[in-house]
Amino acid sequence: DQQVKQNSPSLSVQEGRISILNCDYTNSMFDYFLWYKKYPAEGPTFLISISSIKDKNEDGRFTVFLNKSAKHLSLHIVPSQPGDSAVYFCAASEEGAQKLVFGQGTRLTINP
Amino acid sequence: ETGVTQTPRHLVMGMTNKKSLKCEQHLGHNAMYWYKQSAKKPLELMFVYNFKEQTENNSVPSRFSPECPNSSHLFLHLHTLQPEDSALYLCASSHIFAHYGVSEAFFGQGTRLTVV
Repeated sequence: DQQVKQNSPSLSVQEGRISILNCDYTNSMFDYFLWYKKYPAEGPTFLISISSIKDKNEDGRFTVFLNKSAKHLSLHIVPSQPGDSAVYFCAASEEGAQKLVFGQGTRLTINP
Repeated sequence: ETGVTQTPRHLVMGMTNKKSLKCEQHLGHNAMYWYKQSAKKPLELMFVYNFKEQTENNSVPSRFSPECPNSSHLFLHLHTLQPEDSALYLCASSHIFAHYGVSEAFFGQGTRLTVV
């Protein structure tokens, strides 16, 4: 049972434009959400997170939006840069949990 | 050294070999994790250790044997592996707060394991 789903395996965006990565979840007990970025043959690196008490969190070019009623979150990257090409994972956890639950990942390619 | 360090970065082993993967975290976290990432598959959680006690084993075959001597070190002992066990093995650490739960996890660079 996949509690965190990233339905787009890949996304291609022009350099300088906005990249929007989407993530859906099924567990209504999730209250903390994160995005990770992963280059090939490396470990994921933490990008940005959001608590369920907020609906938006911004850090430089990265903004995460949370829609609790739709059980949906998204990561916006603007402007997109070639170095943003990577696999992006969303993750979630619920209060008191000892682990993060990861989505399958979306491969983002930024075209020059 | 900072963050989460994994050694070795690459490992090739035969099916009859015994080897160990090592992970060390310098972040003061109290939880450590082993993940497996196979080609074109999502991250698979293998084991969770909280204050060096194993709190989760996701039906991992016994040919993978974890060891956590303290909150900073985590090992994965490997024996009689199969070619399909070839994957990127990732270690992570985080802080688990008693009521709040888990903080963001920080990952090591991974060990690329090839079983021949």
